[in-house]
Order: sequence, then structure tokens, then C-alpha cells
Amino acid sequence: GENVEQHPSTLSVQEGDSAVIKCTYSDSASNYFPWYKQELGKRPQLIIDIRSNVGEKKDQRIAVTLNKTAKHFSLHITETQPEDSAVYFCAASIRLIKAAGNKLTFGGGTRVLVKP
Amino acid sequence: DGGITQSPKYLFRKEGQNVTLSCEQNLNHDAMYWYRQDPGQGLRLIYYSQIVNDFQKGDIAEGYSVSREKKESFPLTVTSAQKNPTAFYLCASDQPGTGNHKDQPQHFGDGTRLSIL
Repeated sequence: GENVEQHPSTLSVQEGDSAVIKCTYSDSASNYFPWYKQELGKRPQLIIDIRSNVGEKKDQRIAVTLNKTAKHFSLHITETQPEDSAVYFCAASIRLIKAAGNKLTFGGGTRVLVKP
Repeated sequence: DGGITQSPKYLFRKEGQNVTLSCEQNLNHDAMYWYRQDPGQGLRLIYYSQIVNDFQKGDIAEGYSVSREKKESFPLTVTSAQKNPTAFYLCASDQPGTGNHKDQPQHFGDGTRLSIL
């Protein structure tokens, strides 16, 4: 089955700096890669996702890049703010068109702390 | 935010007791999922259901059971066979894209925190 590794496990950055989280996956058939943000005691919330037919996607201060050949993808947060402090999870799956079921395999998470 | 409702928010289980966690969604999603999250760790898939009256085991199904009698409901029972049930349980749902449906990514409920008495 799919295996997703996420690094680093903790990341401390100064407010205004950039943060980068990297994930690798094992199954070359995976074609869908979401990122979730989870604040303490709350549910994970989808912040951005990317499919294997594109190499990069941006949404304001957040961007995700995908390298299918190397089987890794990364989350980039620019101009970090204190409210970006949370745990971030990457995930990978084989998302099938016209078929229900999207088994996500999650990375272990990265705890991001943005220092004011 | 109100699309997936989990209850209760906190639950305590006695030794040898089965407990059931509720998950309801009003998003008309075909697929529903249960995950377990232990402190400081990622999410692990317990069970998932692609359609009513059908479900499959995930990576850590032992000691758990589910049912999917209605599209909007996917309850999870933590049985006495699950010896270490203390965790944060998250329910999710999504809808793959088809000819008539726009692909909708997986979203989560607010979770149930289960502890042993």
C-alpha cells in the first residue's frame, strides 16, 4: 500500500519568513495530494490540493509543488503569520473518476510554530 | 462547516463496554470514512464506505465495526475487543467527480474524543 513520509516533524520560523514542508510517497499510481491544517483539538481543514496533471498550484500565501518523477511534493507558506501556527498534514491517494472512495494515506504531520 | 456532524464530542468507555460514535452528513456525499488520531500523530483509516450498504476495512479495523444503512449516516462502534481505544476519532466524507457531480474533496467533522474510565 501507499506510504507517505513527512518532514520535518517540527518547524519554527520567524514571522514573515517562509516555511516549507516536504512529503514523499511510495505509490507511483497516486494522483491526488491534499494538504490539511489542524489547530489544537480541532478537525483538519483542507488548505490546498494538487493533482498529478499539474506541477504547481498557488492560493495567496500558500503554494504546493509536485515532482512526480521523484515522488515528492511540498507545501510552501510565504510571509508567515502567527495564525499559521498549527499542525500540517500531507496526504496522497489514487483518486478515481466515476468511483467513490478516496483512501487518503496521511503523513505524520509537521508542527509549525510562527514566532512573532 | 455544518456539513458533517459528529457526536458526542467527548465519550468515556468502561471496561468491556461497546460504544458507538455518530457521524451524519448532509452533503449528499457517497463516500464516508472513519479515522483514528493518536496524540502527536497522523490520521489512520479505520473503515470506509463507498456506497450505502457497503463498507471496507481500512488499515486498523480490528476492534471496530461500522454500518451504512443510510447515505447520510456512518456510525462507528468501538468494541470491547479494541484494547486501546483512547484517541481522537474523525469522520469524513467526499464525492468523486462523475458526469453529474463536481469532484468534492474530503472534509472532516469536528471529531469525538474517546477515553477509558
